[in-house]
Amino acid sequence: DIQMTQSPSSLSASIGDRVTITCRASQSISTYLNWYQQKPGKAPKLLVYTASTLQSGVPSRFSGSGSGTDFTLTISSLEPEDVATYYCHQTIGALTWTFGQGTKVDI
Amino acid sequence: DVQLVESGGGLVQPGGSLRLSCAASGFTFSTYWMTWVRQAPGKGLEWVANVKGDGSEKYYVDSVKGRFTISRDNAKNSLYLQMNSLRAGDTAVYYCARAEYYYLRFPALDYWGQGTLVTVSS
Repeated sequence: DIQMTQSPSSLSASIGDRVTITCRASQSISTYLNWYQQKPGKAPKLLVYTASTLQSGVPSRFSGSGSGTDFTLTISSLEPEDVATYYCHQTIGALTWTFGQGTKVDI
Repeated sequence: DVQLVESGGGLVQPGGSLRLSCAASGFTFSTYWMTWVRQAPGKGLEWVANVKGDGSEKYYVDSVKGRFTISRDNAKNSLYLQMNSLRAGDTAVYYCARAEYYYLRFPALDYWGQGTLVTVSS
């Protein structure tokens, strides 16, 4: 099974800061990598698919990059509404998918 | 608008069974892979199972194989998760989600329900 490892597990940043979250796959997954945002008590929301394509309606301060085993989600300028937990998600594994353990972002 | 509404959660004893349902609307249900994802209290997301649009292919995480069955009724626009031999470790919020295949190859979960809580305890 493909394991997904996110870092850091949590971070605290200031409004306006640039925030970077990384996700590493245990084997190459090409660009079969998605990012989700989950706010407390809510369902996850798709932010980025195919590693770097922003879902419709997602603010442009979010961006994704990477391919193979190493991926990054970046928030260029942190806003108060970005407080959430972020998950990476691989979908290459013969329809047996896995999520990263999550990164909690606080202000 | 796309809507996914889960139901069927509740309190069940270890070893018991429960059937979750997910009512879908706002899209052509039969043409989409559907997914169950769960989240234990205070923990991260865990993919549980997928089912193809016509129900012909099903995939499960190892921890639920042989105990859980994913199914669908396209005439009723409904997705199900039959959960048997439940354990304390199955306690979680269970979400149903739609899998969109971007560029016809790259799946991602673009719509999610609000979730239903399953508690396994004596």
